Amino acid sequence: DAGVTQSPTHLIKTRGQQVTLRCSPKSGHDTVSWYQQALGQGPQFIFQYYEEEERQRGNFPDRFSGHQFPNYSSELNVNALLLGDSALYLCASRMTGGVQGEQYFGPGTRLTVT
Amino acid sequence: ELKVEQNPLFLSMQEGKNYTIYCNYSTTSDRLYWYRQDPGKSLESLFVLLSNGAVKQEGRLMASLDTKARLSTLHITAAVHDLSATYFCAVDDSSNTGKLIFGQGTTLQVKP
Repeated sequence: DAGVTQSPTHLIKTRGQQVTLRCSPKSGHDTVSWYQQALGQGPQFIFQYYEEEERQRGNFPDRFSGHQFPNYSSELNVNALLLGDSALYLCASRMTGGVQGEQYFGPGTRLTVT
Repeated sequence: ELKVEQNPLFLSMQEGKNYTIYCNYSTTSDRLYWYRQDPGKSLESLFVLLSNGAVKQEGRLMASLDTKARLSTLHITAAVHDLSATYFCAVDDSSNTGKLIFGQGTTLQVKP
């Protein structure tokens, strides 16, 4: 049973560019959330997708957008990259309605903006 | 706005010693999660605590939840070097919505 997978593993971009990160949820999971983890800090919630719609959003600007596909996989897009966007981007999946509500995290994408 | 605070933020301890990490949160929530993160790696789920008084144990780690005090503890018994990592607590922002608010993390260093 494959867990949560993310691609790419690492990415280097220049300020002002755009980036797309990808996530495939754990088998049987239908909800995907994205988190940003800056160095030395705890993860911060970006947004959550369920049934191909954004259901919840954290305090992130509109430069951060996403999408969920019918197979439950998801993309995170960041436009007009800033140096401060350098971070580890984590995708987490869960099964909506599950009693425990546990989320499983992918290995992350390390984004460096120069 | 829900806030989650952990203390200490850094803990250096000798093997064989016991210690406790504290996680306080600011608003009512009935589910709390503990995660472990090794350097450069993702988050590994340790415990899911769903009700007041919940206690779970796995090996040398034991987690508890007091929803009235809005406090969770992660107790380490007879620490070993393999427990060196950063530990995060996270609280669901609303009842089981999946929006997790994380603490700052506690970096544990266990010295031989």
